[in-house]
Amino acid sequence: NAGVTQTPKFQVLKTGQSMTLQCAQDMNHNSMYWYRQDPGMGLRLIYYSASEGTTDKGEVPNGYNVSRLNKREFSLRLESAAPSQTSVYFCASSVTDQPQHFGDGTRLSIL
Amino acid sequence: QKEVEQDPGPLSVPEGAIVSLNCTYSNSAFQYFMWYRQYSRKGPELLMYTYSSGNKEDGRFTAQVDKSSKYISLFIRDSQPSDSATYLCATGRTGTASKLTFGTGTRLQVTL
Repeated sequence: NAGVTQTPKFQVLKTGQSMTLQCAQDMNHNSMYWYRQDPGMGLRLIYYSASEGTTDKGEVPNGYNVSRLNKREFSLRLESAAPSQTSVYFCASSVTDQPQHFGDGTRLSIL
Repeated sequence: QKEVEQDPGPLSVPEGAIVSLNCTYSNSAFQYFMWYRQYSRKGPELLMYTYSSGNKEDGRFTAQVDKSSKYISLFIRDSQPSDSATYLCATGRTGTASKLTFGTGTRLQVTL
């Protein structure tokens, strides 16, 4: 039972570089989410996709883009990475009005 | 003011103690409530969820919701060192694409 799989697990970037974080779920969930987690800030929603073909901004969308490639996959892209985007990124998925299930995160450091 | 407030801890208790973790929320529209457990360098793992006021029990864990006071609690009985983790409360409401609002988490350490 894979659940939610995120790749890569770790990444170091230089300021200005671009990168795509990948997320895939095998639970046939319709909704998918991207969060960042920073010390003292908790989990903050970046973008979400309520269903295949739709995406919407969350609380902190600036500097990010997303693509819902199909029902299983939801990617997060940093076009021009900044040190303020150093964080742990989590992907989650759910059925409507049911609890979210999380991956184990991508630890991203931007120098 | 954050919509969900949670004491960050850390909270340190001896093995076998009863642990009480708490959150308050401000939006009366929230309809369902969850507790997640997060071990170091891992993703949050769903522990308990409930859609109503009152108590819900699962083994050593009891989730309690008081909608009139906008207060949610998680009790852990007979705490074990393996319970050492960060506990996150979360709330949500129907019709919002299942978006959740999280507390910042309480770090719990259970000592031998």
